Amino acid sequence: QEHLVQSGSELKKPGASVRISCKASGYTFTRYAMNWLRQAPGQGLEWMGWIDTDSGKPTYAQGFTGRFVFSLDTSVSTAYLQINGLEAEDSAIYFCARRTTTYYFDYWGQGTLVTVSS
Amino acid sequence: QSALTQPASVSGSPGQSITISCTGTRNDVETYNLVSWYQQHPGTAPKLIIYEDVRRPSGVSNRFSGSKSGNTASLTISGLQAEDEADYYCCSYVGRTTFVVFGGGTKLTVL
Repeated sequence: QEHLVQSGSELKKPGASVRISCKASGYTFTRYAMNWLRQAPGQGLEWMGWIDTDSGKPTYAQGFTGRFVFSLDTSVSTAYLQINGLEAEDSAIYFCARRTTTYYFDYWGQGTLVTVSS
Repeated sequence: QSALTQPASVSGSPGQSITISCTGTRNDVETYNLVSWYQQHPGTAPKLIIYEDVRRPSGVSNRFSGSKSGNTASLTISGLQAEDEADYYCCSYVGRTTFVVFGGGTKLTVL
């Protein structure tokens, strides 16, 4: 049974960095792209980009370049999202989601709440 | 790439049917048969309910159905139940530059 489990909630100060993990199980990790999505409080879903779990190549959506970094550790079937230089506007729930070849997201992590506050 | 357009809210009584629209452009919804729909209950992760415009994952109730006409995709929920009350999001592939775009979401209230 496929499963994505994310790391727990984070409280960070402005300017700090945070790294969120997303551990996959129940399938071959490198066969599916891993995507990251953001949901600000009371808002909709926003696609941040994806990482090719076979090559490690990241692709960032517009608005998520520079401070956002996708990475992998395929030895433990885990994807990571790092956000540098945190701003209050980064406060949101971040989801990882497995994406199929026809661009739908069939399995999701439970979400990680990041709160940025001084 | 602009977001897909969904109504902010819809409502219906138990047993009724409702339809949520998702309007894009000829460059996304109309061109590709790659619209997906997600259901999200408060405090939980989104759940896939429709993919490739009309396909339903195993385990998803057949009360949920997808359709498309031109640049507008639709999600229909028949025989509304209280548990259907949730937010619904559409998503479409838009090409190899932007890849995917979401609608703003629709809040379904079961009266």
